Amino acid sequence: AQTVTQSQPEMSVQEAETVTLSCTYDTSESDYYLFWYKQPPSRQMILVIRQEAYKQQNATENRFSVNFQKAAKSFSLKISDSQLGDAAMYFCAYRRIPFYSGGGADGLTFGKGTHLIIQP
Amino acid sequence: ETGVTQTPRHLVMGMTNKKSLKCEQHLKHNAMYWYKQSAKKPLELMFVYNFKEQTENNSVPSRFSPECPNSSHLFLHLHTLQPEDSALYLCASSHLLAGDDNEQFFGPGTRLTVL
Repeated sequence: AQTVTQSQPEMSVQEAETVTLSCTYDTSESDYYLFWYKQPPSRQMILVIRQEAYKQQNATENRFSVNFQKAAKSFSLKISDSQLGDAAMYFCAYRRIPFYSGGGADGLTFGKGTHLIIQP
Repeated sequence: ETGVTQTPRHLVMGMTNKKSLKCEQHLKHNAMYWYKQSAKKPLELMFVYNFKEQTENNSVPSRFSPECPNSSHLFLHLHTLQPEDSALYLCASSHLLAGDDNEQFFGPGTRLTVL
């Protein structure tokens, strides 16, 4: 079974600074997806960034970027120029790629989350 | 309504009650999911529906009974729950057969308290 580990229960960063959230995972699959989701106090889960394992290039979305190390099974999230609105729980998640053609529904395996605090 | 909606947003029930959670997606997706988010555990996948057919039951107790009458609606029927079932229940949907574009979109959740 796949597992996702987030070893930082809480992180704090000054506004406008850069912070990196860690995530490691375990899988025997060679192809899969990795995600970072954000859950603000409203509890609405919002996708921040996605990485396909077969792509060597690290994904970036504006101020958010990942450092994907496939051999080390590591998938960290870097938030640059932190803003007050970035304060939330951040969850790392894994999803395998279904084997049968046409894709298929498959659930996400989540880590326990990291609570990110932004200091003004 | 847009996106994924869930009703009710909050629910308090006794252990002998029967209640249902409702999820509706307005995104023309064809896969739907139930997740449980407890205070001390990671989000746990409960059920997966693929074109209205249940394709995964993640060892969920029978006191939780899902129903997917069509690709837009998903229910979670609850009966004889335990206090440890108190949690945030999240519904999600995604579009299949769209290559890599199968992001799961989440609803706002139902906060369930079992007394």
